[in-house]
Amino acid sequence: GNSVTQMEGPVTLSEEAFLTINCTYTATGYPSLFWYVQYPGEGLQLLLKATKADDKGSNKGFEATYRKETTSFHLEKGSVQVSDSAVYFCALSMAAGNKLTFGGGTRVLVKP
Amino acid sequence: DAGVTQSPTHLIKTRGQQVTLRCSPKSGHDTVSWYQQALGQGPQFIFQYYEEEERQRGNFPDRFSGHQFPNYSSELNVNALLLGDSALYLCASSSLADRGGEKLFFGSGTQLSVL
Repeated sequence: GNSVTQMEGPVTLSEEAFLTINCTYTATGYPSLFWYVQYPGEGLQLLLKATKADDKGSNKGFEATYRKETTSFHLEKGSVQVSDSAVYFCALSMAAGNKLTFGGGTRVLVKP
Repeated sequence: DAGVTQSPTHLIKTRGQQVTLRCSPKSGHDTVSWYQQALGQGPQFIFQYYEEEERQRGNFPDRFSGHQFPNYSSELNVNALLLGDSALYLCASSSLADRGGEKLFFGSGTQLSVL
C-alpha cells in the first residue's frame, strides 16, 4: 500500500535558521504530494502541493520539490520565524479520490 | 463563509459506550471524509461520504460507521468504545469535482477521550 515517512521531531531551531524536514513516499502510480501544517488548537491547513515530478510547491517562504527519482518531497524554509512553530505533515493522494495518506508529523519549535 | 465545523470539541466517554461526532462541511462542498489522529501521529483515513453513501473506507473495524445527510453534513459513530479509540477525530470536506485532494478543508476536530 501507499505510505509516507517523514523525519521525527521535535526539531528545535532559532529564529532565522534554515529548516529542512525530510519526507519520502511509497506509492503505486503517480501521487500528488502535499505538506500540511497544524498550528496549536487549529485544524490542518494545506501549506503547499505538487502534482507531478519536478514540480515545486511554494507558500509563505516554504518550498518543496517533487522528486520522482528519490521518491521524496522535502520541505525547506530559508529563515524561520517563531510563528512557524507547528506540526508539519507530509501526505500523498492518488488521483482516484481525495483520500490522503499522511506521514507521522514533525513538530517544529522556533525559539526567539 | 464558515469553514468546516465539528461538534463537540471535546468529549469524554467510558469503555463500551457509543459516541456520535458531527461535521458540517464548508459551503459548496459535497464530500466529507473522516480521519483519526492519535496523539503524536499523523491522521489515518477512516472513510469518505458522497451522496449519502460511503465511497471509500480505510482500515477501521465495523464499530466505526457513518452517515451523510441530504444537506451534506455528516456523523461519525463509534460503538463499543475502546481505550485505543482515544484520539482527535478530524472531518474534512471537499467537492467531488476536485480530484486528488488538492482542495481539502479540515475542521479543528473533536478530541475524544475514552476512560
